[in-house]
Amino acid sequence: GENVEQHPSTLSVQEGDSAVIKCTYSDSASNYFPWYKQELGKGPQLIIDIRSNVGEKKDQRIAVTLNKTAKHFSLHITETQPEDSAVYFCAASKSGGSNYKLTFGKGTLLTVNP
Amino acid sequence: KAGVTQTPRYLIKTRGQQVTLSCSPISGHRSVSWYQQTPGQGLQFLFEYFSETQRNKGNFPGRFSGRQFSNSRSEMNVSTLELGDSALYLCASSRGTLEGEQYFGPGTRLTVT
Repeated sequence: GENVEQHPSTLSVQEGDSAVIKCTYSDSASNYFPWYKQELGKGPQLIIDIRSNVGEKKDQRIAVTLNKTAKHFSLHITETQPEDSAVYFCAASKSGGSNYKLTFGKGTLLTVNP
Repeated sequence: KAGVTQTPRYLIKTRGQQVTLSCSPISGHRSVSWYQQTPGQGLQFLFEYFSETQRNKGNFPGRFSGRQFSNSRSEMNVSTLELGDSALYLCASSRGTLEGEQYFGPGTRLTVT
């Protein structure tokens, strides 16, 4: 089955700096890659996603890039703010048909220091 | 639009008991998936229901089961609870179509003593 590796497990940055989290996946048939942000005591919140027919997607300070050949995708957060502090999870799945199982990375604890 | 709701939010049970958790998806969503989150194993897929039918199943023992009702609400049941079942149980709602993103509820924190 699919395996998703996520790095780093912890990341500490200064407010205003950029943060980058990287994930690799094993199943070349995976075609949907969402990113979730989980704050303490809450469920994961979908923040951005990308499909395999797109190489990059941006939403304000957040961007995701996908390299299908290398089977890796990354989350980029620019101009970080203290409220960006949370655990971030990447995931992969084969969307469509009857495949709605998300395989998650182990998460990255991002701390933004004021 | 109301988000995904899960009840109860917290639950304490004794080893050997059974438990039922409930999930109400976003209005119009027909797919409900369940995940178990633990510090050691992370987020793991349990099963997914669409139109009252289980479409996908993860690698969990048969003690974990679920169902979905005609209004898309879903329940999961864990029988003969073990200490290792202590976890945050999350449900995610989706349209269930090709472009269906999954939206998570706040989870039910289950503690088995």
